[in-house]
Amino acid sequence: KNEVEQSPQNLTAQEGEFITINCSYSVGISALHWLQQHPGGGIVSLFMLSSGKKKHGRLIATINIQEKHSSLHITASHPRDSAVYICAVNQGAQKLVFGQGTRLTINP
Amino acid sequence: SAVISQKPSRDICQRGTSLTIQCQVDSQVTMMFWYRQQPGQSLTLIATANQGSEATYESGFVIDKFPISRPNLTFSTLTVSNMSPEDSSIYLCSVSFKRLFLNTDTQYFGPGTRLTVL
Repeated sequence: KNEVEQSPQNLTAQEGEFITINCSYSVGISALHWLQQHPGGGIVSLFMLSSGKKKHGRLIATINIQEKHSSLHITASHPRDSAVYICAVNQGAQKLVFGQGTRLTINP
Repeated sequence: SAVISQKPSRDICQRGTSLTIQCQVDSQVTMMFWYRQQPGQSLTLIATANQGSEATYESGFVIDKFPISRPNLTFSTLTVSNMSPEDSSIYLCSVSFKRLFLNTDTQYFGPGTRLTVL
């Protein structure tokens, strides 16, 4: 069993839909990251969380430390949101452990 | 924030050759990391590049195969040696530093180098 599990693995939705991607982890962490990877391969850091909730534009990330679970939400989704979304956790000393990623496709 | 550039952005190489990937950061950072992402897989940490000393390698990765240099606080190189098709991956440089006034580390990733070995 992976230390970081994401669901779903693939998600296709229509433009405008509300999107939720989930991440569960089984280890103690100091922080959790949500990352976005576009087809070219480059990765952008969206959020770093250690508790509660963060919002940036149409993106919202939440974390429940007790349940070892985090969610990434996208409101009013758009085709340009199509990417792979990756959950990663810090296990100290800045080392990251990554989930398998969720491939999101938003159709116009 | 930190701006990270990698060179080359992509390359196609022959089996048995070596490729050196460069990572340049626009500010001095303490921690620099090299990751590999094989096709359809998640990212895996290869090593932590230490300034002025030998890199720290993760299990399954060795210096002879992936020599790393870090001559200063803004630059590092990763060499993929004696390549085989199994080395075809995206290689990513990442840096981490503490944000001023916040007691948290922020991690930034480079644009990646897409390597194909024939």
